[in-house]
Amino acid sequence: DAGVIQSPRHEVTEMGQEVTLRCKPISGHDYLFWYRQTMMRGLELLIYFNNNVPIDDSGMPEDRFSAKMPNASFSTLKIQPSEPRDSAVYFCAIGTGSSYEQYFGPGTRLTVT
Amino acid sequence: DAKTTQPPSMDCAEGRAANLPCNHSTISGNEYVYWYRQIHSQGPQYIIHGLKNNETNEMASLIITEDRKSSTLILPHATLRDTAVYYCIVPDPNRDDKIIFGKGTRLHILP
Repeated sequence: DAGVIQSPRHEVTEMGQEVTLRCKPISGHDYLFWYRQTMMRGLELLIYFNNNVPIDDSGMPEDRFSAKMPNASFSTLKIQPSEPRDSAVYFCAIGTGSSYEQYFGPGTRLTVT
Repeated sequence: DAKTTQPPSMDCAEGRAANLPCNHSTISGNEYVYWYRQIHSQGPQYIIHGLKNNETNEMASLIITEDRKSSTLILPHATLRDTAVYYCIVPDPNRDDKIIFGKGTRLHILP
């Protein structure tokens, strides 16, 4: 976890509210990934960036989800409006050189009531 | 991804070697085998990867059969902290840069 900081660690919000999850990776990486994990669906890739450019967002559930990476040290995942089915743990991960050797952050546990 | 098959769960006594199998019979020549694990309430952790030679690092050893259709991750002296879900992944380098996590093997280390 040392290479990736995620905030907040826990988020509880009401349905319909906007939620912003943050990821601050260490510098020197090429790839940044956002995953979501639930008991029902396991660990799912939502979107990934290569050199700050979004490459594949096919895993983003719907238009309510958006992600940005304005620079190499910061990325956000936004859900607007949030729904109870968005409740999950959201992980940010980085890769350097190889996109298959990834290092994950501690995750953000999101609960939407 | 080349399909991988892992047992859903395994037990291992503390202090013994934990041997986690993975079948990947459709693997092709340029595809690596990657192993990750996820300890409860933590993010997944990269362990090791290999192509065809056996590999060892401070965490584990990876033994790949000569035909590359299966592999075994070995934790030489399992401790309670090794209790986790272990994922065997074979990404397709010709398709894209992402990896797909399956269901993995839930390893219980017994005291």
